[in-house]
Amino acid sequence: IAGITQAPTSQILAAGRRMTLRCTQDMRHNAMYWYRQDLGLGLRLIHYSNTAGTTGKGEVPDGYSVSRANTDDFPLTLASAVPSQTSVYFCASSYEGSDTQYFGPGTRLTVL
Amino acid sequence: SQKIEQNSEALNIQEGKTATLTCNYTNYSPAYLQWYRQDPGRGPVFLLLIRENEKEKRKERLKVTFDTTLKQSLFHITASQPADSATYLCALNSNYQLIWGAGTKLIIKP
Repeated sequence: IAGITQAPTSQILAAGRRMTLRCTQDMRHNAMYWYRQDLGLGLRLIHYSNTAGTTGKGEVPDGYSVSRANTDDFPLTLASAVPSQTSVYFCASSYEGSDTQYFGPGTRLTVL
Repeated sequence: SQKIEQNSEALNIQEGKTATLTCNYTNYSPAYLQWYRQDPGRGPVFLLLIRENEKEKRKERLKVTFDTTLKQSLFHITASQPADSATYLCALNSNYQLIWGAGTKLIIKP
């Protein structure tokens, strides 16, 4: 692994289903983030983690949950997907909060 | 309310000319501001960071200015090339997080 990876690349999901987006980094960064990017709205922070074992809510956390069991992994879970969660999701990491961020390639999620 | 704004309209520039993108913000007092490039279907990539006590920062053909009085940052690409075509995002730090503009799409015409 080089940098930050996300899986899956894209997914079509039925409303009401549970979905976990995966994110892994190998840079030993302390902080990790989940954003959603919608046309015209820019990147909006969903959840973040400043260090392993801690998480926090961003601007748009409702309907999403995260965990940070170790430094490398930061999965994002949609407990019961709704169409308004259709978006492109980016995971990012940085050495510390608000530092330069390194992004994964994104997951394009469609909820029908 | 707190806002960070970039020109939502695409910017069309002739190859070889200088492209200038604008990032304005209100009700923030960022210690620094960052610029990223995003290509279609990819995540943003960091370009430059400028601190509040720096007026200007350069990296190769890129130049960023930061005016904390005007609450504005300008991003310049000199001698622009078609390969510079992308969306450019600005982000400022607030409460240990980054706040993002929606980005400006830059198109460099050959």
